[in-house]
Amino acid sequence: AQTVTQSQPEMSVQEAETVTLSCTYDTSESDYYLFWYKQPPSRQMILVIRQEAYKQQNATENRFSVNFQKAAKSFSLKISDSQLGDAAMYFCAYRSAAGQGYSGGSNYKLTFGKGTLLTVNP
Amino acid sequence: DAGITQSPRHKVTETGTPVTLRCHQTENHRYMYWYRQDPGHGLRLIHYSYGVKDTDKGEVSDGYSVSRSKTEDFLLTLESATSSQTSVYFCAISRTSGGYETQYFGPGTRLLVL
Repeated sequence: AQTVTQSQPEMSVQEAETVTLSCTYDTSESDYYLFWYKQPPSRQMILVIRQEAYKQQNATENRFSVNFQKAAKSFSLKISDSQLGDAAMYFCAYRSAAGQGYSGGSNYKLTFGKGTLLTVNP
Repeated sequence: DAGITQSPRHKVTETGTPVTLRCHQTENHRYMYWYRQDPGHGLRLIHYSYGVKDTDKGEVSDGYSVSRSKTEDFLLTLESATSSQTSVYFCAISRTSGGYETQYFGPGTRLLVL
């Protein structure tokens, strides 16, 4: 079974600075997807960024980017120019790509890490 | 906004009573999921559905059942609620965009079992 580990329960950053959140995962599969979700105090789960394992290029979404190291099974999230609104719990998640199109759908299951609480200081 | 609503948003109940949580989607997605979120555990999959009347168990399914009689609704039932089922419950749908599937979540239901 796949596991996802977020080793930093809490992180803090000064407004306008850069912070990196760590995520490692364990899998024997070669094809999969990785995600970062953000959960602000409202508790809504919001997709931040996603990465396909077969792609060498790191995904970017505005101020958010990832450092995907497939051999090391590492998937860190970098937030540049941090804003007060970035304060939230961040979850890393893994999904297998095996059996794409299988009607059962179990391959779409997400495995989450335990989360990192990010505080942004003004 | 993935067009997902959950009801109720908050519920307090007593041990031993049945509870049903509803997830409703407006975009006709095939796949739907129920997760629970607990401190120190992240989100864990309870059950999922891959079509009307097609459901299967996730990693923490004990004590829960689900039903999906129509595409837009996915119900989660606690037959006899226990204090260990106090949690925040999230429904999710799978939407395909950019060539592959991504899950989008509802607003959550906070359940307290006394």
